[in-house]
Amino acid sequence: GNSVTQMEGPVTLSEEAFLTINCTYTATGYPSLFWYVQYPGEGLQLLLKATKADDKGSNKGFEATYRKETTSFHLEKGSVQVSDSAVYFCALSDLKLVFGKGTKLTVNP
Amino acid sequence: EPEVTQTPSHQVTQMGQEVILRCVPISNHLYFYWYRQILGQKVEFLVSFYNNEISEKSEIFDDQFSVERPDGSNFTLKIRSTKLEDSAMYFCASSSDTAGNQPQHFGDGTRLSIL
Repeated sequence: GNSVTQMEGPVTLSEEAFLTINCTYTATGYPSLFWYVQYPGEGLQLLLKATKADDKGSNKGFEATYRKETTSFHLEKGSVQVSDSAVYFCALSDLKLVFGKGTKLTVNP
Repeated sequence: EPEVTQTPSHQVTQMGQEVILRCVPISNHLYFYWYRQILGQKVEFLVSFYNNEISEKSEIFDDQFSVERPDGSNFTLKIRSTKLEDSAMYFCASSSDTAGNQPQHFGDGTRLSIL
């Protein structure tokens, strides 16, 4: 079946550092890919999405590119802020969402 | 911006009791979902609901679980006889189209604790 493998956390960075969270997927067909973010005590919020190969999703300085050849959708941000501290989930659509395990990011001032 | 609301935010129940988790999806959405997240684990799909019937369910969604949209606005998840392993955060989500075309919008979750 379809699955998502995500970089294990936790990840701890200093403010203004570069962030990469790796995500690879296994799927039949060409699913849409998503990154969701969960801030402490809150629900899941859509961060960005890409619906086809080579699409780049972007939002709030975060970017991820749908790479069919490597079946990847890595999340990047050039300069993280303390407010980016959260758990990040990679997911693919299979009519339902299939999530990775989540990566907890802590950004220290 | 419209949002999905879930009540209660925290539910504590004795093992073997019935529990109903409630959700109010975004009003013009047509597709509804329940997911759960056991502490420290991934978010898992439970069930999807469209046109007043279940469209897909996972292996987790056994006979103890049921969903209902009783009045056109609420979307409920019922667990008939709770077990310790049902303790988790339960998330409701809704979308205007299937997951590939439109994103799912999630509520803040109900934390279910079974004693």
